[in-house]
Amino acid sequence: AQRVTQPEKLLSVFKGAPVELKCNYSYSGSPELFWYVQYSRQRLQLLLRHISRESIKGFTADLNKGETSFHLKKPFAQEEDSAMYYCALRKFSSGSARQLTFGSGTQLTVLP
Amino acid sequence: DVKVTQSSRYLVKRTGEKVFLECVQDMDHENMFWYRQDPGLGLRLIYFSYDVKMKEKGDIPEGYSVSREKKERFSLILESASTNQTSMYLCASRPGVWAGELFFGEGSRLTVL
Repeated sequence: AQRVTQPEKLLSVFKGAPVELKCNYSYSGSPELFWYVQYSRQRLQLLLRHISRESIKGFTADLNKGETSFHLKKPFAQEEDSAMYYCALRKFSSGSARQLTFGSGTQLTVLP
Repeated sequence: DVKVTQSSRYLVKRTGEKVFLECVQDMDHENMFWYRQDPGLGLRLIYFSYDVKMKEKGDIPEGYSVSREKKERFSLILESASTNQTSMYLCASRPGVWAGELFFGEGSRLTVL
């Protein structure tokens, strides 16, 4: 069974500092990885996905299959980045197991 | 924009009561999902539906049932609410199984006394 681990429940950084939110997964096949974000009093929404290889709001994430990781990084954190971040994994295979498995989340606080 | 609307933002119910949580999406999405969101546990899938009248159990279906009579509407039912079902419930939809992105509702916070 697939599993997603976010080891940090809480993470605080100062404005302008680099930030890295860790995500490790366990899955033997080809995974599809996502980061979702939930800002205060807003709905959960997609931030980025690994197959797009895009940068959204200054965030990037690289899939490292050797380390089974998909860490989210931003070189200079902003106060508006404060939010709950969830890493999620989806199997690439067919069948009913194509739903997302979410990690437990990391609450990021960017201090002024 | 995709709109996923959950009918109740806040509910307070008593132990043993029957609870209905309704979710409606306006983009003709085939797939719909119910998650519960708990601190430290993240999102856990309760039930999902690939199409009208189709449903499959997720990771934590015990104590819940669902109904999907129309494509746009997916209901979560707690037949006899218990205090351990106090949680935030999130509904989500996506166009089809090929699509990666889920679109979420604002959530329904249920408190069972």
